[in-house]
Amino acid sequence: DQQVKQNSPSLSVQEGRISILNCDYTNSMFDYFLWYKKYPAEGPTFLISISSIKDKNEDGRFTVFLNKSAKHLSLHIVPSQPGDSAVYFCAAHGSSNTGKLIFGQGTTLQVKP
Amino acid sequence: DVKVTQSSRYLVKRTGEKVFLECVQDMDHENMFWYRQDPGLGLRLIYFSYDVKMKEKGDIPEGYSVSREKKERFSLILESASTNQTSMYLCASRGGTGRKKLFFGSGTQLSVL
Repeated sequence: DQQVKQNSPSLSVQEGRISILNCDYTNSMFDYFLWYKKYPAEGPTFLISISSIKDKNEDGRFTVFLNKSAKHLSLHIVPSQPGDSAVYFCAAHGSSNTGKLIFGQGTTLQVKP
Repeated sequence: DVKVTQSSRYLVKRTGEKVFLECVQDMDHENMFWYRQDPGLGLRLIYFSYDVKMKEKGDIPEGYSVSREKKERFSLILESASTNQTSMYLCASRGGTGRKKLFFGSGTQLSVL
């Protein structure tokens, strides 16, 4: 039972263009969402987050959008750079749960020079 | 900077062996977690701990146990390693109540032959 889903295993984008990574969730109790980036042979690093009381959060080239009615969030990277090539995980946290982060399957982003 | 250190980057073990994966964090964080990462499955929670000597099962605890005798150290134990436990193991820590961001170690790639 996958509560957080990233349905696109991979995405390829040209340098300078926009990358859009998508994430869907099923549990309406989730109240906080995070994106992590992971390079091979390294641990995931935090990228950006959003609370359920907001619909957008921006940090430099990275913007996360949240559509609560659709239970959908997306990460936009503009402009994309080759160094952004990595696996991106979305994660959800619920106000009533025991503090666990539930992760999606991940999307591998390749940014071509 | 938060530092989460996993004792081994790569480990090769035989089926049936008892395996210890060690994790140490230097930020006096209360919460610690063990995840495993597998292609197409994302990060799945094995066990977590809120405080010393406390532990909670995650989503896939079967075949694993944990130990938290000191606040900074969280150990994952494979009682009798099996080939389906070949995976990337990631330790994470987090500060106290209300904080949601996890800090990850670099991971241990375990191969069980």
